[in-house]
Amino acid sequence: AQKITQTQPGMFVQEKEAVTLDCTYDTSDPSYGLFWYKQPSSGEMIFLIYQGSYDQQNATEGRYSLNFQKARKSANLVISASQLGDSAMYFCAMREQGYSTLTFGKGTMLLVSP
Amino acid sequence: DTEVTQTPKHLVMGMTNKKSLKCEQHMGHRAMYWYKQKAKKPPELMFVYSYEKLSINESVPSRFSPECPNSSLLNLHLHALQPEDSALYLCASSPRQTGNSYNEQFFGPGTRLTVL
Repeated sequence: AQKITQTQPGMFVQEKEAVTLDCTYDTSDPSYGLFWYKQPSSGEMIFLIYQGSYDQQNATEGRYSLNFQKARKSANLVISASQLGDSAMYFCAMREQGYSTLTFGKGTMLLVSP
Repeated sequence: DTEVTQTPKHLVMGMTNKKSLKCEQHMGHRAMYWYKQKAKKPPELMFVYSYEKLSINESVPSRFSPECPNSSLLNLHLHALQPEDSALYLCASSPRQTGNSYNEQFFGPGTRLTVL
């Protein structure tokens, strides 16, 4: 079974609109971390935001916020006021306490149009 | 300095060539990683080094040979590769391999490898 599921292969949004990228996860570990990375066409994986399983509040970093619903095991990324430079592949990833490595979802390609 | 650097940015090699990819970080991180990424796919973990020792080898073919000469440097030696090995090779580092669930991985820009 997949540990990280991103159901949207591609998303389109107009500049200045908000967009939500979906991510659900599967773990029985009570301690885990959820990450979102952005990968532009240049290739570099850029860390955006982190949510820990014990964090009481949803994480926010500038225009990025994470809608963390623990009971539903979802960790959706919300980008407010999209910009053309937001066009990229976005990966959701999880790190469980007992493991040393990241498990990535398949990614969502976001295209922002003028 | 919160940067992971990788050289070269692009590499084209024949199946009989020997080449090396280089990765460097000066953040004092003690865990370093090699990933392989095919187009429009997530990164796949290849190797993990922890305190300069090989910790994880994800059943990678022996034509890929990692090396960690010191805590800042990670190499990937390539020999007798196949065309299907063409991919983006990403290096990453984190403060340590295990620990709390944060332990963010910082990625380098990658090396785009083409095997002819």
